[in-house]
Amino acid sequence: KNQVEQSPQSLIILEGKNCTLQCNYTVSPFSNLRWYKQDTGRGPVSLTIMTFSENTKSNGRYTATLDADTKQSSLHITASQLSDSASYICVVSPNSGGGADGLTFGKGTHLIIQP
Amino acid sequence: EPEVTQTPSHQVTQMGQEVILRCVPISNHLYFYWYRQILGQKVEFLVSFYNNEISEKSEIFDDQFSVERPDGSNFTLKIRSTKLEDSAMYFCASSVHGPESGELFFGEGSRLTVL
Repeated sequence: KNQVEQSPQSLIILEGKNCTLQCNYTVSPFSNLRWYKQDTGRGPVSLTIMTFSENTKSNGRYTATLDADTKQSSLHITASQLSDSASYICVVSPNSGGGADGLTFGKGTHLIIQP
Repeated sequence: EPEVTQTPSHQVTQMGQEVILRCVPISNHLYFYWYRQILGQKVEFLVSFYNNEISEKSEIFDDQFSVERPDGSNFTLKIRSTKLEDSAMYFCASSVHGPESGELFFGEGSRLTVL
């Protein structure tokens, strides 16, 4: 069964610090991996989407990396801001025609930025 | 910037009542989806819709659920006889391309509380 595991489950850091969130997946064959930011009570917003051939992708202070061999991805946040407080969700799409039902969502990492 | 809009933002209903959640996808998008997220849990796929018909549905999407695109802009989710366990955030999403490769844009969600 395809799975996406994210760690840590929650994280508290001080404003201005950097942090890295992890995503391990078992989805195979693999098409792409996405990171979403979900503010409390709001819908997920796309940060990055990477195909299997991409190693890294940046979106402002967010940098996602992907190692398709070890089936791991990370999301690095630089110089954190209070507005970065949110859940960060890793979503993996298989390359097997599974459609929307094949998209595998992680449980997310709940990040809290303290002033 | 175009966005997916959902109404209502919050609905409280009695068990057994019918509920209709409404969504206006981004205008040039072709694929539409409903997801739900029970409090504290991960996002779950319900149904996808393309070319005026359901293209996929999950095990959650049983006979109590239905979707409709009554006109060129609205996309609705109906729950015929709500149960306590239907309490969740319901997210509508849309994409230009199919779910395997297309970026999904989510609405802000409709919070359903069943009493």
